[in-house]
Amino acid sequence: DAKTTQPTSMDCAEGRAANLPCNHSTISGNEYVYWYRQIHSQGPQYIIHGLKNNETNEMASLIITEDRKSSTLILPHATLRDTAVYYCIVRAGGTSYGKLTFGQGTILTVHP
Amino acid sequence: GAGVSQSPSNKVTEKGKDVELRCDPISGHTALYWYRQSLGQGLEFLIYFQGNSAPDKSGLPSDRFSAERTGGSVSTLTIQRTQQEDSAVYLCASSSWGSIGAGELFFGEGSRLTVL
Repeated sequence: DAKTTQPTSMDCAEGRAANLPCNHSTISGNEYVYWYRQIHSQGPQYIIHGLKNNETNEMASLIITEDRKSSTLILPHATLRDTAVYYCIVRAGGTSYGKLTFGQGTILTVHP
Repeated sequence: GAGVSQSPSNKVTEKGKDVELRCDPISGHTALYWYRQSLGQGLEFLIYFQGNSAPDKSGLPSDRFSAERTGGSVSTLTIQRTQQEDSAVYLCASSSWGSIGAGELFFGEGSRLTVL
């Protein structure tokens, strides 16, 4: 699976949009982009995933560049409860499910 | 159940003892994963099951670690002759094996293992 690069940490003011970038320049055509987050002392939580089109759900939006070499997770109105480690992962779809490989992620701190 | 259930939530053991950690996945999920997370570290993949078979055991750190899954449901991770470096939170996740791009993992709350 392709490697991802994320900033180590980011800050965001409560109520503002949090934009978390991820670089995956070696992504293959059959690899999806997944985002998870881990709030302190809890198991990771799925947020969203996409292949090439932008995606939106009740938690976040995922913007994938046209060349698919990078993506941005957007939390439109961050709250204090969104403080967590955010992981960007790429993984092949189709029959190659297998494991998700977690990197170090981005520590997002939402402050009042 | 509604979510992935793991037991025990906390386990303290003495060096050299064997421990068993249990994972009960979401009903109907055919894939099951074990990860571990040491204090302040990222998630380390251990093994995953598709049904009762384990196509990828590449993350098991040594032959002291083993896992099995029976009936396509409950899984047990066994650590023999525990060492202090085995201290970590052991996380289990399950997923459905469905259409392309699906298969997000649902994690349990983990089993915290402390080896004295």
